[in-house]
Amino acid sequence: EVQLLESGGGLVQPGGSLRLSCVASGFTFNRYAMAWVRQAPGKGLEWVSSISPSGGTTYYADSVRGRFTISRDNSKNTLFLQMNSLGAEDTAIYYCAQEVWLQFYNWGQGALVTVSS
Amino acid sequence: QSALTQPASVSGSPGQSITISCTGTSSDVGGYNYVSWYQQHPGKAPKLIIFEVSNRPSGVPDRFSGSKSGNTASLTISGLQAEDEADYYCSSYTYNDLGVFGGGTKVTVL
Repeated sequence: EVQLLESGGGLVQPGGSLRLSCVASGFTFNRYAMAWVRQAPGKGLEWVSSISPSGGTTYYADSVRGRFTISRDNSKNTLFLQMNSLGAEDTAIYYCAQEVWLQFYNWGQGALVTVSS
Repeated sequence: QSALTQPASVSGSPGQSITISCTGTSSDVGGYNYVSWYQQHPGKAPKLIIFEVSNRPSGVPDRFSGSKSGNTASLTISGLQAEDEADYYCSSYTYNDLGVFGGGTKVTVL
């Protein structure tokens, strides 16, 4: 059974930073692309970032490019999202997902990030 | 990256069929067969119910079906059941490898 478990969410002040982690199990982690998808309160899904199986290629939504960095540690089956210069518009539940051609096969339970003073 | 266009809401009575449309462009929906659909119940994570336009993952009931014509993909729920009341999102591969979702459709079972 595929399991994805996010951690690292919380309350952060505007302009601050936060690092999300997602530990994967139940599949061969280094064979799959991975992604972060977020959902602001009461809003729809928004793709944030994706990373290739090796970690050598990354992609970002325009709304986070230059502020967020996706990475992975295949030796630890872990996906990361480093988020800098956070603003109120980044308040959301952040989901990690197993990805195949920008299709999201399995999802974590989500990590809530709240940006507020 | 412009969001794909979905109707805000669709409703139907138990046992009826409903269809949700998802309109994009030739750079996403119309250009690739990597269109997927997700079901999300309140307070829960999204769940994949259709991948590659019309394929169902194991465990998804066959009353859920997907199709595509030109730049528009569609999700049909046949034999609507109370448990199908949820939000539904489409997504597509895009020419520049960036992800895009539809705005979401709230399905109400009358």
